[in-house]
Amino acid sequence: NAGVTQTPKFRILKIGQSMTLQCTQDMNHNYMYWYRQDPGMGLKLIYYSVGAGITDKGEVPNGYNVSRSTTEDFPLRLELAAPSQTSVYFCASRTMAGFTDTQYFGPGTRLTVL
Amino acid sequence: QQPVQSPQAVILREGEDAVINCSSSKALYSVHWYRQKHGEAPVFLMILLKGGEQKGHEKISASFNEKKQQSSLYLTASQLSYSGTYFCGTDSGGYQKVTFGTGTKLQVIP
Repeated sequence: NAGVTQTPKFRILKIGQSMTLQCTQDMNHNYMYWYRQDPGMGLKLIYYSVGAGITDKGEVPNGYNVSRSTTEDFPLRLELAAPSQTSVYFCASRTMAGFTDTQYFGPGTRLTVL
Repeated sequence: QQPVQSPQAVILREGEDAVINCSSSKALYSVHWYRQKHGEAPVFLMILLKGGEQKGHEKISASFNEKKQQSSLYLTASQLSYSGTYFCGTDSGGYQKVTFGTGTKLQVIP
């Protein structure tokens, strides 16, 4: 099992550019999440999905979009990048299995918008 | 509403104990605990479901008081490898969104 994988690892964007952050999990988890973490801060939920075709907004969704066409993939789209979107982005998936409930994080994508 | 953690930071010598607290203003279904080392992704430590249970493995354990909407993480006989930032994550039910706390930076020194 590769777990949760994210690409790219690093990216520099110019203001106004767009990009897609890729996230794939091979654990057959229905629940998937996108978080951002600003330097020295905690994690903020951007979007989440409870299964293929079902997504919903988190705490900080503005400037982002998501889609979930398969159980495995949950890409995050940034439209019209702004310096405020400079952050580390983590994708996660979750088992939702009662006492063995576990959330697994990908390695993160470090994004800088200049 | 983001759960509040205390203390914000703590420095321990190897072998000392520490307690990290997490407090929420919402009724909780579960509490998660994570450790994040610098430049890495958070790593899941444990989950506590409502029922006031205490869980743990080896020298790291946690308790959950659902009436007070609080959880505490206990680290005993700390090791250098325990250094990092600890986050609690609270889940109030519904669509199972986890809201992360403010974080506690823990440094263990020789």
